[in-house]
Amino acid sequence: SQTIHQWPATLVQPVGSPLSLECTVEGTSNPNLYWYRQAAGRGLQLLFYSVGIGQISSEVPQNLSASRPQDRQFILSSKKLLLSDSGFYLCAWSVSGVTEAFFGQGTRLTVV
Amino acid sequence: KQEVTQIPAALSVPEGENLVLNCSFTDSAIYNLQWFRQDPGKGLTSLLLIQSSQREQTSGRIYASLDKSSGRSTLYIAASQPGDSATYLCAVRPLTGTASKLTFGTGTRLQVTL
Repeated sequence: SQTIHQWPATLVQPVGSPLSLECTVEGTSNPNLYWYRQAAGRGLQLLFYSVGIGQISSEVPQNLSASRPQDRQFILSSKKLLLSDSGFYLCAWSVSGVTEAFFGQGTRLTVV
Repeated sequence: KQEVTQIPAALSVPEGENLVLNCSFTDSAIYNLQWFRQDPGKGLTSLLLIQSSQREQTSGRIYASLDKSSGRSTLYIAASQPGDSATYLCAVRPLTGTASKLTFGTGTRLQVTL
Protein backbone atom coordinates (compact mmCIF):
# COMPACT_ATOMS: atom_id res chain seq x y z
CA SER A 1 0.00 0.00 0.00
CA GLN A 2 1.02 3.58 -0.50
CA THR A 3 2.18 5.76 2.36
CA ILE A 4 3.33 9.33 2.60
CA HIS A 5 5.84 10.59 5.13
CA GLN A 6 6.36 14.20 6.07
CA TRP A 7 8.82 15.64 8.56
CA PRO A 8 9.40 17.28 10.88
CA ALA A 9 5.99 17.37 12.57
CA THR A 10 6.70 20.70 14.25
CA LEU A 11 9.33 23.34 13.69
CA VAL A 12 10.13 26.67 15.32
CA GLN A 13 12.50 28.83 13.32
CA PRO A 14 13.75 32.42 13.71
CA VAL A 15 13.04 35.03 11.08
CA GLY A 16 15.70 35.00 8.38
CA SER A 17 16.69 31.38 8.88
CA PRO A 18 16.50 28.77 6.08
CA LEU A 19 13.83 26.11 5.80
CA SER A 20 13.73 22.60 4.45
CA LEU A 21 10.66 20.39 4.76
CA GLU A 22 10.75 16.94 3.26
CA CYS A 23 8.06 14.65 1.95
CA THR A 24 8.44 11.13 0.60
CA VAL A 25 5.95 8.71 -0.86
CA GLU A 26 6.24 4.93 -0.78
CA GLY A 27 4.49 2.24 -2.77
CA THR A 28 3.89 4.11 -6.00
CA SER A 29 5.85 5.39 -8.96
CA ASN A 30 5.76 8.76 -10.70
CA PRO A 31 3.14 10.29 -8.43
CA ASN A 32 1.88 13.83 -8.71
CA LEU A 33 3.16 15.66 -5.61
CA TYR A 34 1.78 18.76 -3.93
CA TRP A 35 2.62 21.24 -1.19
CA TYR A 36 -0.29 23.01 0.51
CA ARG A 37 -0.37 25.58 3.28
CA GLN A 38 -3.21 25.89 5.78
CA ALA A 39 -3.43 29.19 7.61
CA ALA A 40 -5.60 29.57 10.70
CA GLY A 41 -9.23 30.12 9.76
CA ARG A 42 -8.55 29.78 6.05
CA GLY A 43 -8.79 27.00 3.53
CA LEU A 44 -5.86 25.06 2.19
CA GLN A 45 -3.88 26.87 -0.47
CA LEU A 46 -1.90 25.02 -3.11
CA LEU A 47 1.69 26.29 -3.17
CA PHE A 48 3.47 23.95 -5.60
CA TYR A 49 2.82 20.80 -7.55
CA SER A 50 5.02 18.47 -9.53
CA VAL A 51 4.19 15.91 -12.21
CA GLY A 52 7.72 14.50 -12.45
CA ILE A 53 11.36 14.78 -11.38
CA GLY A 54 12.58 18.34 -11.72
CA GLN A 55 9.17 19.60 -12.85
CA ILE A 56 7.76 22.19 -10.46
CA SER A 57 4.77 24.47 -10.92
CA SER A 58 4.22 27.37 -8.57
CA GLU A 59 0.69 28.50 -7.86
CA VAL A 60 1.33 31.64 -5.86
CA PRO A 61 4.27 34.04 -5.65
CA GLN A 62 5.96 33.74 -2.30
CA ASN A 63 9.09 33.37 -0.28
CA LEU A 64 9.21 29.61 -0.76
CA SER A 65 10.52 27.23 -3.39
CA ALA A 66 10.09 23.53 -4.08
CA SER A 67 12.26 20.83 -5.58
CA ARG A 68 11.82 17.22 -6.62
CA PRO A 69 15.25 15.61 -6.71
CA GLN A 70 13.88 12.06 -6.85
CA ASP A 71 10.68 10.49 -8.13
CA ARG A 72 9.06 10.16 -4.71
CA GLN A 73 10.70 13.03 -2.84
CA PHE A 74 9.36 16.55 -2.64
CA ILE A 75 11.12 19.31 -0.71
CA LEU A 76 9.83 22.71 0.37
CA SER A 77 12.52 25.31 1.02
CA SER A 78 13.18 28.89 1.87
CA LYS A 79 16.45 30.82 2.05
CA LYS A 80 15.13 33.34 4.58
CA LEU A 81 11.94 32.79 6.51
CA LEU A 82 9.41 35.56 7.14
CA LEU A 83 6.91 35.77 9.97
CA SER A 84 4.16 35.35 7.38
CA ASP A 85 5.54 31.92 6.46
CA SER A 86 4.14 30.49 9.69
CA GLY A 87 1.44 27.93 9.11
CA PHE A 88 0.58 24.30 8.70
CA TYR A 89 2.23 22.74 5.65
CA LEU A 90 0.83 19.64 4.06
CA CYS A 91 2.30 17.39 1.42
CA ALA A 92 0.00 15.32 -0.78
CA TRP A 93 0.19 12.88 -3.67
CA SER A 94 -2.10 11.49 -6.32
CA VAL A 95 -1.77 9.06 -9.18
CA SER A 96 -2.59 11.79 -11.66
CA GLY A 97 -3.85 15.33 -11.60
CA VAL A 98 -7.48 14.24 -11.45
CA THR A 99 -7.46 11.28 -9.12
CA GLU A 100 -7.95 11.08 -5.38
CA ALA A 101 -5.40 13.02 -3.34
CA PHE A 102 -3.78 11.65 -0.18
CA PHE A 103 -2.19 13.83 2.45
CA GLY A 104 0.67 13.57 4.90
CA GLN A 105 0.39 14.43 8.58
CA GLY A 106 1.62 17.97 8.13
CA THR A 107 4.33 20.21 9.58
CA ARG A 108 3.46 23.01 11.97
CA LEU A 109 5.92 25.82 11.23
CA THR A 110 6.20 28.75 13.60
CA VAL A 111 8.50 31.59 12.59
CA VAL A 112 9.52 33.73 15.57
CA LYS B 1 -12.42 31.98 -9.83
CA GLN B 2 -13.80 28.96 -8.01
CA GLU B 3 -15.05 29.57 -4.48
CA VAL B 4 -16.05 26.81 -2.11
CA THR B 5 -18.25 27.48 0.91
CA GLN B 6 -19.09 25.12 3.76
CA ILE B 7 -22.03 25.60 6.05
CA PRO B 8 -22.22 25.44 8.98
CA ALA B 9 -18.74 26.48 10.10
CA ALA B 10 -19.20 24.58 13.36
CA LEU B 11 -21.67 22.02 14.64
CA SER B 12 -22.17 20.35 18.02
CA VAL B 13 -24.56 17.41 18.28
CA PRO B 14 -25.29 14.60 20.75
CA GLU B 15 -24.16 11.12 19.93
CA GLY B 16 -26.49 9.14 17.69
CA GLU B 17 -27.79 12.00 15.56
CA ASN B 18 -27.70 11.87 11.79
CA LEU B 19 -25.62 14.73 10.43
CA VAL B 20 -25.80 16.86 7.30
CA LEU B 21 -22.82 18.93 6.19
CA ASN B 22 -23.09 21.23 3.19
CA CYS B 23 -20.60 22.28 0.55
CA SER B 24 -21.31 24.71 -2.28
CA PHE B 25 -19.12 25.81 -5.17
CA THR B 26 -19.52 28.65 -7.63
CA ASP B 27 -18.16 27.08 -10.83
CA SER B 28 -19.93 23.89 -11.88
CA ALA B 29 -17.16 22.95 -14.34
CA ILE B 30 -15.56 20.46 -12.00
CA TYR B 31 -13.83 17.15 -12.65
CA ASN B 32 -14.61 15.71 -9.23
CA LEU B 33 -15.20 16.59 -5.60
CA GLN B 34 -13.45 15.11 -2.61
CA TRP B 35 -14.46 15.07 1.06
CA PHE B 36 -11.80 14.96 3.76
CA ARG B 37 -11.63 14.64 7.50
CA GLN B 38 -9.00 16.51 9.53
CA ASP B 39 -8.30 15.83 13.19
CA PRO B 40 -6.76 18.70 15.21
CA GLY B 41 -3.13 19.26 14.28
CA LYS B 42 -3.16 16.39 11.80
CA GLY B 43 -3.21 15.87 8.07
CA LEU B 44 -6.25 15.21 5.90
CA THR B 45 -7.87 11.80 5.54
CA SER B 46 -9.78 11.18 2.34
CA LEU B 47 -13.37 10.08 2.94
CA LEU B 48 -14.98 10.04 -0.48
CA LEU B 49 -14.26 11.04 -4.05
CA ILE B 50 -17.24 11.79 -6.30
CA GLN B 51 -16.69 12.09 -10.04
CA SER B 52 -18.64 14.80 -11.84
CA SER B 53 -20.64 12.10 -13.64
CA GLN B 54 -21.74 10.58 -10.35
CA ARG B 55 -24.51 11.74 -8.07
CA GLU B 56 -23.50 9.91 -4.91
CA GLN B 57 -20.92 7.83 -3.10
CA THR B 58 -21.11 5.74 0.06
CA SER B 59 -18.53 4.49 2.52
CA GLY B 60 -19.85 2.82 5.65
CA ARG B 61 -21.88 5.34 7.66
CA ILE B 62 -20.89 8.14 5.31
CA TYR B 63 -22.84 9.08 2.23
CA ALA B 64 -22.20 12.03 -0.07
CA SER B 65 -24.31 13.46 -2.86
CA LEU B 66 -23.30 15.75 -5.69
CA ASP B 67 -25.52 18.11 -7.68
CA LYS B 68 -23.03 19.61 -10.09
CA SER B 69 -25.48 21.83 -11.92
CA SER B 70 -26.51 23.59 -8.74
CA GLY B 71 -22.98 23.58 -7.32
CA ARG B 72 -23.71 21.59 -4.19
CA SER B 73 -22.52 18.53 -2.35
CA THR B 74 -23.86 17.18 0.89
CA LEU B 75 -22.12 14.84 3.32
CA TYR B 76 -24.34 12.67 5.51
CA ILE B 77 -23.03 10.87 8.58
CA ALA B 78 -25.41 8.35 10.09
CA ALA B 79 -25.61 7.57 13.80
CA SER B 80 -22.84 9.96 14.80
CA GLN B 81 -20.23 8.90 17.34
CA PRO B 82 -17.76 10.90 19.47
CA GLY B 83 -14.98 9.54 17.24
CA ASP B 84 -16.54 11.44 14.32
CA SER B 85 -15.49 14.71 15.95
CA ALA B 86 -13.18 16.47 13.51
CA THR B 87 -13.16 19.15 10.83
CA TYR B 88 -14.69 18.07 7.53
CA LEU B 89 -13.41 19.68 4.34
CA CYS B 90 -14.68 19.51 0.80
CA ALA B 91 -12.55 20.29 -2.22
CA VAL B 92 -13.26 20.53 -5.94
CA ARG B 93 -10.97 19.83 -8.86
CA PRO B 94 -11.43 21.92 -12.03
CA LEU B 95 -12.45 20.45 -15.34
CA THR B 96 -9.94 22.53 -17.25
CA GLY B 97 -6.84 24.55 -16.56
CA THR B 98 -4.70 23.36 -13.67
CA ALA B 99 -6.47 20.05 -13.11
CA SER B 100 -4.18 19.29 -10.19
CA LYS B 101 -5.42 22.26 -8.24
CA LEU B 102 -7.93 21.41 -5.55
CA THR B 103 -9.92 24.35 -4.23
CA PHE B 104 -10.88 23.81 -0.60
CA GLY B 105 -13.66 25.09 1.57
CA THR B 106 -12.80 26.33 5.06
CA GLY B 107 -14.45 23.32 6.65
CA THR B 108 -17.13 22.39 9.16
CA ARG B 109 -15.85 21.72 12.67
CA LEU B 110 -17.93 18.92 14.15
CA GLN B 111 -18.19 17.94 17.79
CA VAL B 112 -20.19 14.89 18.80
CA THR B 113 -20.93 14.81 22.52
CA LEU B 114 -21.80 11.88 24.77
